[in-house]
Amino acid sequence: GAGVSQTPSNKVTEKGKYVELRCDPISGHTALYWYRQSLGQGPEFLIYFQGTGAADDSGLPNDRFFAVRPEGSVSTLKIQRTERGDSAVYLCASSLTRAGTRYEQFFGPGTRLTVL
Amino acid sequence: GQQLNQSPQSMFIQEGEDVSMNCTSSSIFNTWLWYKQDPGEGPVLLIALYKAGELTSNGRLTAQFGITRKDSFLNISASIPSDVGIYFCAGSYNNNDMRFGAGTRLTVKP
Repeated sequence: GAGVSQTPSNKVTEKGKYVELRCDPISGHTALYWYRQSLGQGPEFLIYFQGTGAADDSGLPNDRFFAVRPEGSVSTLKIQRTERGDSAVYLCASSLTRAGTRYEQFFGPGTRLTVL
Repeated sequence: GQQLNQSPQSMFIQEGEDVSMNCTSSSIFNTWLWYKQDPGEGPVLLIALYKAGELTSNGRLTAQFGITRKDSFLNISASIPSDVGIYFCAGSYNNNDMRFGAGTRLTVKP
């Protein structure tokens, strides 16, 4: 079956602009995660959805970052008034979280965001 | 920021050699995972550990969940060129909040 897909693969924008990054999780996965990965670092947790609701958004760096998952499947990460420091690879992952299933997050290829 | 200390940061080894890397944390985890990331791709899960003391193998890879629940190691035996990449440890306490180490960059010389 298809894995996690993310679009666009690359996004170049200017400082101050608004961007949206999309994630299509694996079909049937109820949990969805967003991470940010800076050069030379491991992924850093941003937000976790269980179904349509954000169960944990403690990793969002500030109120310029927002994410939605209105129908419990596709998710969009939105960044307002982008800053050069937002440049990074944004990774999405999904997992099954039914009781009795082992925890395993499957990652997409990421969206490389460059803010000029 | 990162909560896990992963070492070494990088390794340069000869094909056929064994490799060992580890992670330590100041807090306990219920799950330890090891991922490999190739350029331009997302991390791919190699091994997942769910119980303190657990030792799990996946082909040439072996990983252990430390007894204190604050550390884990990954061993790769008889390395081959395709083992090149960045290896990340990750720990989770509640199974939905996963923290990653900074990665170990492995280079294998033929």
